[in-house]
Amino acid sequence: DTEVTQTPKHLVMGMTNKKSLKCEQHMGHRAMYWYKQKAKKPPELMFVYSYEKLSINESVPSRFSPECPNSSLLNLHLHALQPEDSALYLCASSQDRDSFYEQYFGPGTRLTVT
Amino acid sequence: AQSVTQLGSHVSVSEGALVLLRCNYSSSVPPYLFWYVQYPNQGLQLLLKYTSAATLVKGINGFEAEFKKSETSFHLTKPSAHMSDAAEYFCAVSDSPGDDKIIFGKGTRLHILP
Repeated sequence: DTEVTQTPKHLVMGMTNKKSLKCEQHMGHRAMYWYKQKAKKPPELMFVYSYEKLSINESVPSRFSPECPNSSLLNLHLHALQPEDSALYLCASSQDRDSFYEQYFGPGTRLTVT
Repeated sequence: AQSVTQLGSHVSVSEGALVLLRCNYSSSVPPYLFWYVQYPNQGLQLLLKYTSAATLVKGINGFEAEFKKSETSFHLTKPSAHMSDAAEYFCAVSDSPGDDKIIFGKGTRLHILP
């Protein structure tokens, strides 16, 4: 199984809502990543988890809160987002941080903030 | 800082023709270089990677890339384009293991003409 799954596929939320994005992999990978991708732009790294611990936070606003409850699951909690946060949110995983270059990506969650 | 430049935001080739997508990197030390493909409404998939071994790297789906230090280039080629190759292609760079960050180029949209 070389699949990274993400739910939901699409999400529309108001600026006062609280929602969560979910990412799951069963490849035994110990590094997991969140990226943000705006339309017609490359992905931008947000967070890196290594062995369930946050190892990189790319100065992401606190309205985005990541969580890694176990080695297979990665969540991104959203609260009080702004319309400019609308984007495709991609999750990825790799064997470990040293194998960061061989990341397996999920299909993404397309988020619209109204 | 590391960066890659992809020449041409859109490239069109006829089915069966040679595919050439250009990428130049800026680095004072040998970098790690990658090509990723993104099909519509999907996440990214690693096509191939250069990690200072052989300069000619073969990837999936018939793609290959050659690392040319003298030209600071890592162009992606495929001898014969197929309709299914239509997608967004990202060149990416990273310094070394432990850096964790992949810096993506702006992407090149490949169009295949029948």
